[in-house]
Amino acid sequence: DAGVTQSPTHLIKTRGQQVTLRCSPKSGHDTVSWYQQALGQGPQFIFQYYEEEERQRGNFPDRFSGHQFPNYSSELNVNALLLGDSALYLCASRDGPSGTGELFFGEGSRLTVL
Amino acid sequence: AQSVTQLDSQVPVFEEAPVELRCNYSSSVSVYLFWYVQYPNQGLQLLLKYLSGSTLVKGINGFEAEFNKSQTSFHLRKPSVHISDTAEYFCAVCGTSYGKLTFGQGTILTVHP
Repeated sequence: DAGVTQSPTHLIKTRGQQVTLRCSPKSGHDTVSWYQQALGQGPQFIFQYYEEEERQRGNFPDRFSGHQFPNYSSELNVNALLLGDSALYLCASRDGPSGTGELFFGEGSRLTVL
Repeated sequence: AQSVTQLDSQVPVFEEAPVELRCNYSSSVSVYLFWYVQYPNQGLQLLLKYLSGSTLVKGINGFEAEFNKSQTSFHLRKPSVHISDTAEYFCAVCGTSYGKLTFGQGTILTVHP
């Protein structure tokens, strides 16, 4: 049983560019969340998708957007990249949107913005 | 809104010694509490969680945590650590009606031989 898979694992972009990160949830999971983990910090919640809709959003600008597909996979898009967007982006999935279900994390996509 | 404070950024300890990683939280609503572990260049793995019931929660790899509502704390303990426990540990909370996790800054546990 594959867990949460993310792609790409590493990528380098320059300021002003746009990036798309992809996530496939663990089998049987229908809810996907994205977190940003800056170096030396704890993960910060970006948003959560359930039934193809954004259900909750953290304190991130509109440059951060996402999508969930009918097969429950998800994309995170970041426009107009800033140096401060350099971080590990973690995707997590669970069965249902409430906090009782265990959240499974992928190994992340490390984004470097030059 | 919730917040989490992990009181120690780094904890060095010798192998087979006991360890406690401290976590305090703040919330205006009821919360669920979690501890996650992150090994280098990996994602996060759930160690244990408190949803309700007994305040002493046992998790994987011999870890346990105690929920103290009056002190708003959820400290993680292990009676005897191994070299393989070297990692970064994160305390997290979420409201009972939704699934957003709020994490602490992390505690780096280093186990020395």
